[in-house]
Amino acid sequence: AQRVTQPEKLLSVFKGAPVELKCNYSYSGSPELFWYVQYSRQRLQLLLRHISRESIKGFTADLNKGETSFHLKKPFAQEEDSAMYYCALRDLTGGGNKLTFGTGTQLKVEL
Amino acid sequence: DGGITQSPKYLFRKEGQNVTLSCEQNLNHDAMYWYRQDPGQGLRLIYYSQIVNDFQKGDIAEGYSVSREKKESFPLTVTSAQKNPTAFYLCASSIDKDRGLRGANVLTFGAGSRLTVL
Repeated sequence: AQRVTQPEKLLSVFKGAPVELKCNYSYSGSPELFWYVQYSRQRLQLLLRHISRESIKGFTADLNKGETSFHLKKPFAQEEDSAMYYCALRDLTGGGNKLTFGTGTQLKVEL
Repeated sequence: DGGITQSPKYLFRKEGQNVTLSCEQNLNHDAMYWYRQDPGQGLRLIYYSQIVNDFQKGDIAEGYSVSREKKESFPLTVTSAQKNPTAFYLCASSIDKDRGLRGANVLTFGAGSRLTVL
C-alpha cells in the first residue's frame, strides 16, 4: 500500500541551526513527491515538489529512490520557518490521481 | 480574487443529524478533494473528483457522501453514520495532470471548516 511516513511529530531547533524534516515513502510506481506547509492561521500551501528541483525559502528536498526518502532540509533555520510541514505522495494506482499525506511534523524554531 | 471558499467556517451539529459542508472554487480546476485533518493523523482523503459527475472514494469514505454536479462545486455531507465526525475538514482543487499545464497536480486548499458534534 502507498504510505508516507514522517517519524517526528515535533522538531525543535535553534535559530541558525540546520533543519532536516524526515519523510519516507512506500510506493510501487514512479514516485512524485511534495512538501506542503501550514503557517499559523494560514492555509495549507505547497512548499516544493521534487520534479521542480528548486529551492524555496532556502528549503531543498532530494528524492532518494534507494532509501525511499524525500527529506526536507535547510542549512540555517529562521524564526519564520516555524510551521507544520507535511510530506505528500502522488498516487496514480487504479487509474486515480490523489495525494497521500504523512502525519506531519511541527517545526519550532527557537531564538 | 480566485480561490477556494469553504463554508461554514464553524459548524455545530447534534448527534444523528446530517450536515453539508460547502466548497466552491473559481480557479477553473478540474479536480477537487476533501480531506479530514485530525491532530497526530495528518490529512486523510475522504473523497475526490477528477471530473464533473464522477467521484471516487478516498481512504476514509464511510459515513460521508459527495456530489459533483458543477465543476465549481464539491459539497461534502457528513451523515449520522460517521462514527467520529468532529474534525477539521479541508477542501482542495487542482488542475488535471492530463492537461499538461504547469502547476498540474498541485493542490490549492481552502481555509477549512471545523465541525463539532455535540
